[in-house]
Amino acid sequence: GEDVEQSLFLSVREGDSSVINCTYTDSSSTYLYWYKQEPGAGLQLLTYIFSNMDMKQDQRLTVLLNKKDKHLSLRIADTQTGDSAIYFCAESISNAGNMLTFGGGTRLMVKP
Amino acid sequence: ETGVTQSPTHLIKTRGQQVTLRCSSQSGHNTVSWYQQALGQGPQFIFQYYREEENGRGNFPPRFSGLQFPNYSSELNVNALELDDSALYLCASSPVTGKNNEQFFGPGTRLTVL
Repeated sequence: GEDVEQSLFLSVREGDSSVINCTYTDSSSTYLYWYKQEPGAGLQLLTYIFSNMDMKQDQRLTVLLNKKDKHLSLRIADTQTGDSAIYFCAESISNAGNMLTFGGGTRLMVKP
Repeated sequence: ETGVTQSPTHLIKTRGQQVTLRCSSQSGHNTVSWYQQALGQGPQFIFQYYREEENGRGNFPPRFSGLQFPNYSSELNVNALELDDSALYLCASSPVTGKNNEQFFGPGTRLTVL
């Protein structure tokens, strides 16, 4: 079955690093994604990782994937107030077409 | 390059009515997916269209239906609206040559059912 879980809330100070975690259950996931949603807006694709990779870095963003534990994380370095938003992880499964299964989202609050 | 656009931005309907939501995909994208996002939750997959045909469906009843047109734009139709249909409806498009199943989302249509 498919189930993606995230913690609900994370609060950090400006300039610190943020780590948002996600667990998934379907071992046949091919790609895993991180999306950002600001209030009243749609979803912005931040980054993705292929399931045969362990890590991907893109500027301030680092994605770590532990396939054995089915654990995905997003690290945001030097977190800024503009990073305050809801972050969703999502998985795409090879035998389920192009459907994305999303977690419930983690609300990141960055305090000045 | 124009991104994914959706119309209308907001809509208020009453129970039992029917609604049509519209989506224009990003230039060069031939696949459109629709998601429902209830308040405080993650998006849930409704269905996907590729080359004007349904190419996968989530756990939604038949009163949720869709269309894709030759220009790759799409409509989501919901009949016999229920209170629980109140949500943000998101459209996402994927490129023709996409290998990573990247889906690019529009700003959404917020539907309120009274």
